[in-house]
Amino acid sequence: GQNIDQPTEMTATEGAIVQINCTYQTSGFNGLFWYQQHAGEAPTFLSYNVLDGLEEKGRFSSFLSRSKGYSYLLLKELQMKDSASYLCAVSSDSNYQLIWGAGTKLIIKP
Amino acid sequence: DAGITQSPRHKVTETGTPVTLRCHQTENHRYMYWYRQDPGHGLRLIHYSYGVKDTDKGEVSDGYSVSRSKTEDFLLTLESATSSQTSVYFCASPPVLGSGANVLTFGAGSRLTVL
Repeated sequence: GQNIDQPTEMTATEGAIVQINCTYQTSGFNGLFWYQQHAGEAPTFLSYNVLDGLEEKGRFSSFLSRSKGYSYLLLKELQMKDSASYLCAVSSDSNYQLIWGAGTKLIIKP
Repeated sequence: DAGITQSPRHKVTETGTPVTLRCHQTENHRYMYWYRQDPGHGLRLIHYSYGVKDTDKGEVSDGYSVSRSKTEDFLLTLESATSSQTSVYFCASPPVLGSGANVLTFGAGSRLTVL
């Protein structure tokens, strides 16, 4: 079957760094996505990895290892507004269909 | 952005009644999706469309039907709502043609409660 695993909840301190892991098992692979979702709102796109390595975008970076079926999202200089759920999703075909993890709720404490 | 609007944003209905949710997009994209989101679950695909009158089932399609008579509108219908269909429903579409593979933009969501 196809499966995406990520931790249910994480807590971090304002100003610190946090790494959210995602492991996946899918029948195909066309790319891995990270979305941010604030409570009561729609998911919004954060990053996309299709090749192995690190993609950096400001305070957020995403890493992919296709051989290990593993990705992480790294958030630096945490701010209170980063409190949200972070969703990992994999595209396993070419029809824009995504397989979604259940999301990681990130709680930022002062 | 794909300019996706969903209506209604909130609805409370009773078991056994029909419900239709509407998704409207302004970017003329072929692909549109309906997802549901429930606590403890990832977004789950209900149905998707790859063109006018071209639709297909997702992983949780039982109890739902869809229609796409115009490129810009994708309707999700619950023929006879059940309490298990209480959920938040999101419509999604790629933002613009050629903007990058599989990057979806989501509507604001429709919160449905079935009593």
